Amino acid sequence: QVHLVQSGAEVKKPGASVKVSCKASEYSRTELSVHWVRQAPGKGLEWMGLFDPEDGETIYAQKFQGRVTMTEDTSTNTAYMELSSLRSEDTAVYYCSKDGVDSGGYFVQSWGQGTLVTVSS
Amino acid sequence: EIVLTQSPATLSLSPGERATLSCRASESVSSHLQWYQQKPGQAPRLLIYDASKRATGIPARFSGSGSGTDFTLTISSLEPEDFAVYYCQQRSNWPTFGQGTKLEIK
Repeated sequence: QVHLVQSGAEVKKPGASVKVSCKASEYSRTELSVHWVRQAPGKGLEWMGLFDPEDGETIYAQKFQGRVTMTEDTSTNTAYMELSSLRSEDTAVYYCSKDGVDSGGYFVQSWGQGTLVTVSS
Repeated sequence: EIVLTQSPATLSLSPGERATLSCRASESVSSHLQWYQQKPGQAPRLLIYDASKRATGIPARFSGSGSGTDFTLTISSLEPEDFAVYYCQQRSNWPTFGQGTKLEIK
């Protein structure tokens, strides 16, 4: 199973942008999609969107359309999520997760450790 | 957007008891439903995918059932490490999560 390591905590001012990285321990030919999920303090999980590495397609939750960009650099096995026009409500832990298929053909999923983004003036 | 409603919000049980958690979708998601466990300060962990398939390494005491709009996660005999928050997620359409069920020790 692929091990994912995310970038460190960030503190941003309202109106700024943040770019969170998610580096995989190895290249996986059976990677299906990269999802980004966030969790505000004391709240539940919120799906933000996904990146499909096979065709580069992105699907964003309607709430984030126009403010989020998800990409992947295959040369470094690193996925990125950039969120712009930050506001205090964007303060949350941001997680990446990768879907894949293991050698036995079973669905597997790895998660990063999370990146705390704090938006404060 | 497909809304998932989990019940109960909190479930108080003792180790060794059986836990039954519910997830209801606002419209059919077929079998495109996943269950996650999350402990404080940790990332979610996938337990069940496609409504009833256990993820790799998940103990057999965890099972999922249902299709369409009504789904259940059952933990047959609770272990101390099972007390956590559980989320369902649908992947039929743009993915959404339920609000979570907190499983606490009675």
